Amino acid sequence: SQQGEEDPQALSIQEGENATMNCSYKTSINNLQWYRQNSGRGLVHLILIRSNEREKHSGRLRVTLDTSKKSSSLLITASRAADTASYFCATEYSSASKIIFGSGTRLSIRP
Amino acid sequence: DSGVTQTPKHLITATGQRVTLRCSPRSGDLSVYWYQQSLDQGLQFLIQYYNGEERAKGNILERFSAQQFPDLHSELNLSSLELGDSALYFCASRTNYGYTFGSGTRLTVV
Repeated sequence: SQQGEEDPQALSIQEGENATMNCSYKTSINNLQWYRQNSGRGLVHLILIRSNEREKHSGRLRVTLDTSKKSSSLLITASRAADTASYFCATEYSSASKIIFGSGTRLSIRP
Repeated sequence: DSGVTQTPKHLITATGQRVTLRCSPRSGDLSVYWYQQSLDQGLQFLIQYYNGEERAKGNILERFSAQQFPDLHSELNLSSLELGDSALYFCASRTNYGYTFGSGTRLTVV
């Protein structure tokens, strides 16, 4: 079963706008990770945030983690056509245990 | 190139058949995780191996089995295939910063 649920399921925005995706999970975690998947291709790791961290940045990506609400958000700023993809959050319960994926958000960037 | 190699990239086979998917983790990585991605079930964890030993099992059917060999490559064996087994199968290695996935094997059962 999936640990996380993502919201929205699909998001369509204009190029240059910001995109925000949310992820909720059910149990305590060691870390939460975000991945991108272009259509039918492999998963690319974007960012990992540990349970004792609240915010992390990587280029145009900003991830927040609220362990009290068991939720995380991924913000992509100044979106580009190349950002069109599915985005998944994944939670790891303990170090080196399996990661459990959320249901994903399909992001479309309109030119 | 993620460094995790999966073969074949595509596989088309008939119901009832048996197939073997292969994964070579990045050089030096001891762990292998297998995932199945289907339209109705999303990304599901199947099984984990570490240095040749099974470490964790997920939603893996009894018709499926896996192993990790001394050279650390892993094979996922799928038998008595059904239409519903059509999916993308990924393997991954774990790093300190996240998981590195292979490009997957797309299995189509007809």
